[in-house]
Amino acid sequence: GAVVSQHPSWVICKSGTSVKIECRSLDFQATTMFWYRQFPKQSLMLMATSNEGSKATYEQGVEKDKFLINHASLTLSTLTVTSAHPEDSSFYICSAGNPGRMNTEAFFGQGTRLTVV
Amino acid sequence: SQQGEEDPQALSIQEGENATMNCSYKTSINNLQWYRQNSGRGLVHLILIRSNEREKHSGRLRVTLDTSKKSSSLLITASRAADTASYFCATVYLGGTSYGKLTFGQGTILTVHP
Repeated sequence: GAVVSQHPSWVICKSGTSVKIECRSLDFQATTMFWYRQFPKQSLMLMATSNEGSKATYEQGVEKDKFLINHASLTLSTLTVTSAHPEDSSFYICSAGNPGRMNTEAFFGQGTRLTVV
Repeated sequence: SQQGEEDPQALSIQEGENATMNCSYKTSINNLQWYRQNSGRGLVHLILIRSNEREKHSGRLRVTLDTSKKSSSLLITASRAADTASYFCATVYLGGTSYGKLTFGQGTILTVHP
């Protein structure tokens, strides 16, 4: 299957600082990246969808100014959590895709566990 | 919004027994996927079933899909302690604004006792 690499796998940051998470598709062109968030003991919720070269589409209730998404190339998308607060502590995971792969298994990164102290 | 419902929310069985998890969804789908997640870790893809399929097998896994009832089930036969994990169903609809995104169910926590 396709390989999606997400970095870092875990990060601890101080409240008020910003954290950047990278998601790379290593062996295919990812025209679309999906960013999900999972709070402890809960399911995964889609935060936003980004298409290469255009602005991300955010799900209802997700603050676009707080969660900045950049998808400037076909192999890299980044999620920046700005002015992080303890309530942003969560598991963030990306998924990469393109039109030819949408009806196949999704390819996820390894996930990033963010802890804000 | 989360559309999938899974039941049971938690399942505890003995090694060697079969485990059945159910998933229901609300909208049209193109495919339904099952994932496993070990505590605090990433997702492992288990199996995908397309909307025109009714049943698929992969090793000890059997998945069924009933689009008329908007439901799916995952059966793990001869369970092992290593199967202990959370299991999620996720649906994909290739239409409208939701093109390609996965909508996850609430998940089933499976515990297999040695």
